[in-house]
Amino acid sequence: NAGVTQTPKFQVLKTGQSMTLQCAQDMNHNSMYWYRQDPGMGLRLIYYSASEGTTDKGEVPNGYNVSRLNKREFSLRLESAAPSQTSVYFCASSEQNNQPQHFGDGTRLSIL
Amino acid sequence: SQQGEEDPQALSIQEGENATMNCSYKTSINNLQWYRQNSGRGLVHLILIRSNEREKHSGRLRVTLDTSKKSSSLLITASRAADTASYFCATDRGGGNTPLVFGKGTRLSVIA
Repeated sequence: NAGVTQTPKFQVLKTGQSMTLQCAQDMNHNSMYWYRQDPGMGLRLIYYSASEGTTDKGEVPNGYNVSRLNKREFSLRLESAAPSQTSVYFCASSEQNNQPQHFGDGTRLSIL
Repeated sequence: SQQGEEDPQALSIQEGENATMNCSYKTSINNLQWYRQNSGRGLVHLILIRSNEREKHSGRLRVTLDTSKKSSSLLITASRAADTASYFCATDRGGGNTPLVFGKGTRLSVIA
């Protein structure tokens, strides 16, 4: 039982490049989330999907887009990467929005 | 905006001692959750306490909730070196289907 799987684990981009972070869960959860974690800032919610077919902005959505491809998969896209987006990105899922979340092990993204 | 704030930011104790971390929040909640994050890994859910509960136990963990003071505490008894991690509280906003908001965490170091 893999839980939440994120790919890639590490990535280095140049400013202006685009990329998509992938996330898949195998727990049949309704809700999925994307966070970024920066030193001293805790976890900040970028976007979430309360159920298949819906997405909503979180605390820091600027510069990102998301797609809830199906119930299992929720991707995060950086259209034009900026150095300020250097961070560790976590995907999580839960049965409902305020229920315990299961996290992937993160994608470490550096933008030069 | 931060809903939960942990205190202290960092805590260093000897193996065998008890560790207490506190979380304060601002708005009414349905539940409050505690998570642990080992270095380089995703967060792991530890325990959930509902707004109508005052205390909950899980192994060496004891969580209390005081809704009148909008605060919670996490006690780890007889700490071990393996308990070294960051601990986060997370709250919903009491409004139903809203995502959790995480605090900035307490970094616990248990010295053998």
